[in-house]
Amino acid sequence: QVQLVQSGAEVKKPGSSVRVSCKASGGTFGSHSITWVRQTPGQGFEYMGGMIPIHGTAPNYAQKFHGRVTISADASTSTAYMDLSSLRSDDTAVYYCARALQTAIERHSAFDIWGQGTLVAVSS
Amino acid sequence: EIVLTQSPATLSLSPGERATLSCRASQSVSNYLAWYQQKPGQAPRLLIYNASKRATGVPARFSGSGSGTDFTLTISNLEPEDVAVYYCSQRSTWLTFGGGTKVEIK
Repeated sequence: QVQLVQSGAEVKKPGSSVRVSCKASGGTFGSHSITWVRQTPGQGFEYMGGMIPIHGTAPNYAQKFHGRVTISADASTSTAYMDLSSLRSDDTAVYYCARALQTAIERHSAFDIWGQGTLVAVSS
Repeated sequence: EIVLTQSPATLSLSPGERATLSCRASQSVSNYLAWYQQKPGQAPRLLIYNASKRATGVPARFSGSGSGTDFTLTISNLEPEDVAVYYCSQRSTWLTFGGGTKVEIK
């Protein structure tokens, strides 16, 4: 049974960057895409971007985060990464990686496996 | 951006009752609509995908219906373990989530 295990909580200063990792445990990513979303009390869930690690093609990014977020993956270790730069206080959130259930229509697929979430707190 | 509006915000019912949760999209999402359950401190759990298909391991008391812009999640025979916030989400165009419905037990 595949699980997604994320890196631990982070406390960052405004203007700095953060990297969150997401590793498949008990299996691999296979042909599934990995998407990153974040959750805040005020904004709810927000899509950040995603990619299909095994394909190695360019990630898709949400317009809101374009230029500040970089999503990458190492298919050989089934580890995905989300880098967010120029952090602000309103980037304080729980960040999740999630695996698309369906590979044939991954652009339209729901997410069947989620990481446990990583709290990123941005504070001076 | 497709906006998903969930109602009601909070639903308070007794064990054994039926819960009916609504999700309305600002434009058609075809059947690319999913429902998730989230308990405090936990990641979301997929319940329903493609509007009406139950995910693996999800109890039969959870069912989904609808297409286009109007969708419903029904929890028949509500159990205490169903206390959670329920979110709808669309993947017709990019990815957006509704604001959630909190289900409480009286």
